[in-house]
Amino acid sequence: NAGVMQNPRHLVRRRGQEARLRCSPMKGHSHVYWYRQLPEEGLKFMVYLQKENIIDESGMPKERFSAEFPKEGPSILRIQQVVRGDSAAYFCASSLSGSNNEQFFGPGTRLTVL
Amino acid sequence: DAKTTQPTSMDCAEGRAANLPCNHSTISGNEYVYWYRQIHSQGPQYIIHGLKNNETNEMASLIITEDRKSSTLILPHATLRDTAVYYCIVRVDGSGGSNYKLTFGKGTLLTVNP
Repeated sequence: NAGVMQNPRHLVRRRGQEARLRCSPMKGHSHVYWYRQLPEEGLKFMVYLQKENIIDESGMPKERFSAEFPKEGPSILRIQQVVRGDSAAYFCASSLSGSNNEQFFGPGTRLTVL
Repeated sequence: DAKTTQPTSMDCAEGRAANLPCNHSTISGNEYVYWYRQIHSQGPQYIIHGLKNNETNEMASLIITEDRKSSTLILPHATLRDTAVYYCIVRVDGSGGSNYKLTFGKGTLLTVNP
């Protein structure tokens, strides 16, 4: 019974490149959440998605960041034209239903922008 | 969601019980207390949650005071692998609002010593 999977685990990009982070939720889970953890800080909510729908993206930076969760395949967090300040650990979580289920987290993707 | 206050760090001897406190004096009647932990370089792991009754599972026990203004997470026999940052989070369960957002503070760094 696989947990939440994220890939890649480590990603290095140069300033101006694009970063694509993938998240496969636990089997049977249709709710996905992305969080970002900057160095020495706690996790901060970014976006909540259900299949083919963005429910809440209030934690996403207004520019360069986008997320999707297509009908088939993993959820994708996309960061265009990365800057050094985007360097962080990005965690995906999934839940069985909406608000009243605990969220199970993946191992994270550590993005380093050179 | 109500704000929580936790000590920055704690130490515990291996094999002894670890008692991690959390203050949540502004908690509302419909807010649950959740505990997660994050072992170094891994994603957060759900531990336990409760509303007002004490709860126990295979990982830990949660003791919530009668006035619900504080709680204690108890790891009955701490091991070296329990060394992690422990987060106390208060959130509303059930549908409605944005209660799916987990708000992580700085947490408590628990160090289990041999």
